[in-house]
Amino acid sequence: DGGITQSPKYLFRKEGQNVTLSCEQNLNHDAMYWYRQDPGQGLRLIYYSQIVNDFQKGDIAEGYSVSREKKESFPLTVTSAQKNPTAFYLCASSIHSEPASYEQYFGPGTRLTVT
Amino acid sequence: AQKITQTQPGMFVQEKEAVTLDCTYDTSDPSYGLFWYKQPSSGEMIFLIYQGSYDQQNATEGRYSLNFQKARKSANLVISASQLGDSAMYFCAMRRTSGTYKYIFGTGTRLKVLA
Repeated sequence: DGGITQSPKYLFRKEGQNVTLSCEQNLNHDAMYWYRQDPGQGLRLIYYSQIVNDFQKGDIAEGYSVSREKKESFPLTVTSAQKNPTAFYLCASSIHSEPASYEQYFGPGTRLTVT
Repeated sequence: AQKITQTQPGMFVQEKEAVTLDCTYDTSDPSYGLFWYKQPSSGEMIFLIYQGSYDQQNATEGRYSLNFQKARKSANLVISASQLGDSAMYFCAMRRTSGTYKYIFGTGTRLKVLA
């Protein structure tokens, strides 16, 4: 079955530690995205990548880093510089081309708690 | 700049009745796509329906329809014959067809279906 996997589902870390969230897709999509969602809020874009070895900052990139070495993988590192990292993180992918009818496919999300 | 506005933080609807969730958007792009997603309490994002800016007819998918009024820049989601399983957060999103192909999300509407 094609889809997006994120692991782990729940992640706990101590303040001051970097943590990497995994995102893998087997949909052969060019574009991948990371979103942050706080309780009762919408999705905010952290980083996105339209092609391997290239990525762009989204609206809230400070304190986060990404890599895109393979088409299938787009890991997100939450660094100790992120002031408020506790949140729900969603990874998504889509076909990167026109028309605009291509919806995003989402992973199940990772709930990160930093204490 | 592009923007999606969802003005209803929460809505109630009686089971088996229809409900309309509002979405207005702002863009200067002539070509764009509009999406609705459902997010149950489990956190996954489920794609519901898509409307292209040049589509002449309103999109429909089963019990979901999109009331697209281009001149008013609105793309309201209509859910007919509501079911208890429809209780969830609903997000309106937009994607441009030029440039970076970013998706812009609204803040969401929490729908509660009452038995």
